[in-house]
Amino acid sequence: GAVVSQHPSWVICKSGTSVKIECRSLDFQATTMFWYRQFPKQSLMLMATSNEGSKATYEQGVEKDKFLINHASLTLSTLTVTSAHPEDSSFYICSASIGGGGNQPQHFGDGTRLSIL
Amino acid sequence: GQNIDQPTEMTATEGAIVQINCTYQTSGFNGLFWYQQHAGEAPTFLSYNVLDGLEEKGRFSSFLSRSKGYSYLLLKELQMKDSASYLCAVKDSNYQLIWGAGTKLIIKP
Repeated sequence: GAVVSQHPSWVICKSGTSVKIECRSLDFQATTMFWYRQFPKQSLMLMATSNEGSKATYEQGVEKDKFLINHASLTLSTLTVTSAHPEDSSFYICSASIGGGGNQPQHFGDGTRLSIL
Repeated sequence: GQNIDQPTEMTATEGAIVQINCTYQTSGFNGLFWYQQHAGEAPTFLSYNVLDGLEEKGRFSSFLSRSKGYSYLLLKELQMKDSASYLCAVKDSNYQLIWGAGTKLIIKP
């Protein structure tokens, strides 16, 4: 149980393109979803916390107009990287939890490797 | 500030036992998690501790001492496939997950 699906797994596109990444909880309802970014050999960096039906909470230093997050249902959150540039190339990972209680782990999608040329 | 410390890298031998330590200083505590992350892949959940003591799950065990702000992940009968990064994370008083930088574990034959 607790499967999170992330799509696409790999994107290569030109600078200036907008890229949408989908994160779905397949067998549970996720009231909260999280978006992370990870550069090579570095730790996970939380970008934003997404709650169904409300605006996402962005971490300090993350541009909300650049990284648009939509969490329209209990099973789907999307991250759109607008006008992507080479410095946005990274590994983007979503996770979801069943509620926000202390003992609920975050379950991760397989990640999206984004390469901007 | 909130801080989680774990060694950057450790090396162990196939078949042996290794202990990965994690110390934390957070505003409040609502549980500690260990995740495994293979290179190029997303993290997978390993264990959860909220009370002091040892939680055993097959070859993996996790220990917590809240008074010392300390946890460890113990891996027994190491296999080559255990080569990965191991991430320690703590939920603070706001239930926000604070992540450590991860420990890269290298298993040698």
